[in-house]
Amino acid sequence: DADVTQTPRNRITKTGKRIMLECSQTKGHDRMYWYRQDPGLGLRLIYYSFDVKDINKGEISDGYSVSRQAQAKFSLSLESAIPNQTALYFCATRGQGSPGELFFGEGSRLTVL
Amino acid sequence: SQQGEEDPQALSIQEGENATMNCSYKTSINNLQWYRQNSGRGLVHLILIRSNEREKHSGRLRVTLDTSKKSSSLLITASRAADTASYFCATDRETSYDKVIFGPGTSLSVIP
Repeated sequence: DADVTQTPRNRITKTGKRIMLECSQTKGHDRMYWYRQDPGLGLRLIYYSFDVKDINKGEISDGYSVSRQAQAKFSLSLESAIPNQTALYFCATRGQGSPGELFFGEGSRLTVL
Repeated sequence: SQQGEEDPQALSIQEGENATMNCSYKTSINNLQWYRQNSGRGLVHLILIRSNEREKHSGRLRVTLDTSKKSSSLLITASRAADTASYFCATDRETSYDKVIFGPGTSLSVIP
């Protein structure tokens, strides 16, 4: 099984719908991240979390919210999806201790019609 | 605004040639990392260089860091078709460690 698992892997939805992307990890890492990837723009940080009580905004947090339900779970929500949120979303984890690499999930491709 | 900017955006070379990608950033950093992404897949960490290091090697990879110019380069020697992927730099800023910011990436094509 993958260390960082994202669900769903693909989702097509309509404008105005609420969408939740979920991420779970088995690495025991405390830091978790959500990024979105758009062609030509690389990855942009949406939110990151140090633990269940410590959540921080990234570069592009507007229109998104997150929940850290447990050390191993970090969910990203789009309360009212819009077409320009169509993108590939990645969850990543990082262990405590500096510096360390990020471990990525395989991505969740979201299409908002 | 993005912390890192890669150059070139796209690079096409013949198998066996060396590939050099550059990354520039805007603010002081704690470390800089390079990642690789095969088409549509998750990113995989390649190498990390700390702000007090100038050069680092890992197999066919060589990374340099020039903090005075706020830039880094990734050299892949003797490239192979399997090196075809997108490559991204990412930075931990001095003032906000763990807020890892990525650049837009370089798309590398290695032609057999």
